Amino acid sequence: AQSVTQLDSQVPVFEEAPVELRCNYSSSVSVYLFWYVQYPNQGLQLLLKYLSGSTLVKGINGFEAEFNKSQTSFHLRKPSVHISDTAEYFCAVSFMEYGNKLVFGAGTILRVKS
Amino acid sequence: GAGVSQSPSNKVTEKGKDVELRCDPISGHTALYWYRQSLGQGLEFLIYFQGNSAPDKSGLPSDRFSAERTGGSVSTLTIQRTQQEDSAVYLCASSVDSWGEQFFGPGTRLTVL
Repeated sequence: AQSVTQLDSQVPVFEEAPVELRCNYSSSVSVYLFWYVQYPNQGLQLLLKYLSGSTLVKGINGFEAEFNKSQTSFHLRKPSVHISDTAEYFCAVSFMEYGNKLVFGAGTILRVKS
Repeated sequence: GAGVSQSPSNKVTEKGKDVELRCDPISGHTALYWYRQSLGQGLEFLIYFQGNSAPDKSGLPSDRFSAERTGGSVSTLTIQRTQQEDSAVYLCASSVDSWGEQFFGPGTRLTVL
């Protein structure tokens, strides 16, 4: 069955430090990959997506992610975080042989401390 | 333009009652999805509509759940004989076509007492 794993449920980090949020998915021939952010009491907002082309994808708010097909990973990175990045981050995958429905990871809460 | 809207924003109901949740997708979007977000299960897919094709119901957790999409636009998710485990935030999303980016609505928070 299709699955998406976010290895870290919570990641505490100091302001201006770099951060990496990890995401792995079950092996599949073709996938579309997404990262969404959910601020407290708000809806889901798309950070970035990989559909095809360059494996390094840049998104909003200085985030980027790299698609690694051999490791079936799509880790999210930011070189310097801000307090305002405190939120929950969800990795999501469309396994194309099953259609465009998204399979979500369990989420990672990023807590940025001053 | 307007995004995906959902109503009501909050719904409190008693166990055993039926509820209807509404989703208005972005105008012109042919694909519509329902997901739910709960503490125990995280974010999970429920059902997907694309144009006039038969919906993908593979994520519906039981036969108490059903959804329809009238005229290729508005969708209603119905939960019959609600149970406490149905308490969750129900999210609707739409995309311009089968493979487009999904835009999410603000959700309906359902609480079953």
